[in-house]
Amino acid sequence: EAGVTQFPSHSVIEKGQTVTLRCDPISGHDNLYWYRRVMGKEIKFLLHFVKESKQDESGMPNNRFLAERTGGTYSTLKVQPAELEDSGVYFCASRPRGGETQYFGPGTRLLVL
Amino acid sequence: AQSVTQLGSHVSVSEGALVLLRCNYSSSVPPYLFWYVQYPNQGLQLLLKYTSAATLVKGINGFEAEFKKSETSFHLTKPSAHMSDAAEYFCAVTRGAAGNKLTFGGGTRVLVKP
Repeated sequence: EAGVTQFPSHSVIEKGQTVTLRCDPISGHDNLYWYRRVMGKEIKFLLHFVKESKQDESGMPNNRFLAERTGGTYSTLKVQPAELEDSGVYFCASRPRGGETQYFGPGTRLLVL
Repeated sequence: AQSVTQLGSHVSVSEGALVLLRCNYSSSVPPYLFWYVQYPNQGLQLLLKYTSAATLVKGINGFEAEFKKSETSFHLTKPSAHMSDAAEYFCAVTRGAAGNKLTFGGGTRVLVKP
């Protein structure tokens, strides 16, 4: 069974540009989460989808971040326009309905110059 | 609100020595607790979890952790470190039932000396 995949693995962009991160959860997992680790800090929750619906988006830092999960399969996280403080590693995780464990992808390393 | 504190951002151990990584949590409701490991250039991998069953939890690669409610702790141990244990370890807590967001500690990077 394939794990959680994320694309791209790395992205380097300039301040003001737009970047879109993609996450493909484990097949059949209803729950999808986004987390972020800014350098030197702890991993922090961004938002949680149940199928295509946003269950909890309390961790989204501001309206420059837009997450979608059309059709309840893969998800995208768009940052527009990117700022220097958006640099970090963005993790995606998925969890099956009724399960206890979140399974993480390898992360996307974003550097905003 | 929940929080997790991992004592020591870096730990150095000799190969064959005990590995002890400390995690203390705060939670207003019975928690679920997790330890994840991140090897270089990889994602987070679940080591073990506590979900209100046995307080001593055994995980992969010889690791175990004990939930101590009175001490609000969930320390991770391994009797004998191996070079392959060099990684970053994260303790995380979630509130009660599954499905809630994880709150992570700051992580502890383990260096294993030959």
